[in-house]
Formats: sequence, structure tokens, C-alpha cells
Amino acid sequence: DTGVSQDPRHKITKRGQNVTFRCDPISEHNRLYWYRQTLGQGPEFLTYFQNEAQLEKSRLLSDRFSAERPKGSFSTLEIQRTEQGDSAMYLCASSLENRDGYTFGSGTRLTVV
Amino acid sequence: SQQGEEDPQALSIQEGENATMNCSYKTSINNLQWYRQNSGRGLVHLILIRSNEREKHSGRLRVTLDTSKKSSSLLITASRAADTASYFCATDGGNFNKFYFGSGTKLNVKP
Repeated sequence: DTGVSQDPRHKITKRGQNVTFRCDPISEHNRLYWYRQTLGQGPEFLTYFQNEAQLEKSRLLSDRFSAERPKGSFSTLEIQRTEQGDSAMYLCASSLENRDGYTFGSGTRLTVV
Repeated sequence: SQQGEEDPQALSIQEGENATMNCSYKTSINNLQWYRQNSGRGLVHLILIRSNEREKHSGRLRVTLDTSKKSSSLLITASRAADTASYFCATDGGNFNKFYFGSGTKLNVKP
């Protein structure tokens, strides 16, 4: 499979719990992006990596959010002390260069109850 | 805001008709992209047009770009029920670091 994989597909968690999502990009892609999408809206940029370096973080990414991409391969997005407002679809995408189109994963849908 | 905004927000047509969606943006761009999203799924890249291009085609898709008006349009010809989805434009705001997405056009193609 040469697509972008995200795990899990769905996550239901209680408010205050920590959650971690994983993204496996296309292997030869050096750029990896995280976006968040709420119902009826377009994806909002959260952060991106070039290889293992996290080059930019959105102001949407509060201190409760952290992302890593060890060794420039897969990436994880962790949300600590989840709040109901964190409920959304978390999308990962990768590209070879930003001049190319993104390949998106199917997303992880987070529901905080 | 740097993101593109699509118009209309929703569009309902009969199978076989053409569908046109528009995108307007505010800042200069290097590239503009169009994506499709089926309900509850990830986005699928349709087409990328560079700022020095005016028109691109891909199968039944035709994208135009007018940088003087800061606008783009996506035309889907001979629509099919399977084209029912949300369509988003994404602009790079003049840098190559990331793309900004609009709120999308929800297209419904009735069989």
C-alpha cells in the first residue's frame, strides 16, 4: 500500500484523557502535514514537518498538542487533557515538495465525551 | 484570512449537467489546488495549477486561474452521481510551506 495511513480511524475518549494518533506517510515523501477539520468546514493547518524537523506550528496548536516525526518517517500527534472542543477529524497529508499536491490519509475522527 | 473561499456553498444538479464552482482568495499565490472529499473521508487531490498557468484539464475537470482577479473555477463536465462530494480549493498564500483551505462547495448530483 503506497497511500497515507492513519491510525486509529475513530477514537472516543473521555474529557481529560490523553490521546495519540499515528500517521504513516508515503515513504519517499519528505513533507508531512497535520490538519484538523470540523463538520462543515475545510481543513485547518496545525503543523508540518520537513523530514524530522517541525518547521511550523499554527496558533491553533495549544500547549496541549504535540507532534513528533522521529527519523523523518511516521508521525504522532498527541493531545493531552482533551476537551470537548477537540472533537474533530484529524487529517494527515504528505508530499514530496509543497509544489506538489498533498496525499491525504483517511483521517482519525476524535470524539471527546 | 489567506484561505480561498468557495462559491456557491452548495450546488444541486441533475446527472449529465455541468457543475461550476468558484474560488476567491486574497493574497498572491504560487499554486492553487482543488480537492474532493466524500462524506467522512479524507481529501483526494484533483488538480494543481501554478500561478503562471491559466487553464488545466484532467479528464472531465477543467480548472481556470485568473491571478488578476484572485479567482479560480472548477468545471466538472457531464456530471455523474459519483461526483457527489464536497470540493475545496487550497492556496499557498505565496509561500511554499503549507496550503490554506476554504469551507468548500457541497455538490449533489441527482441521478
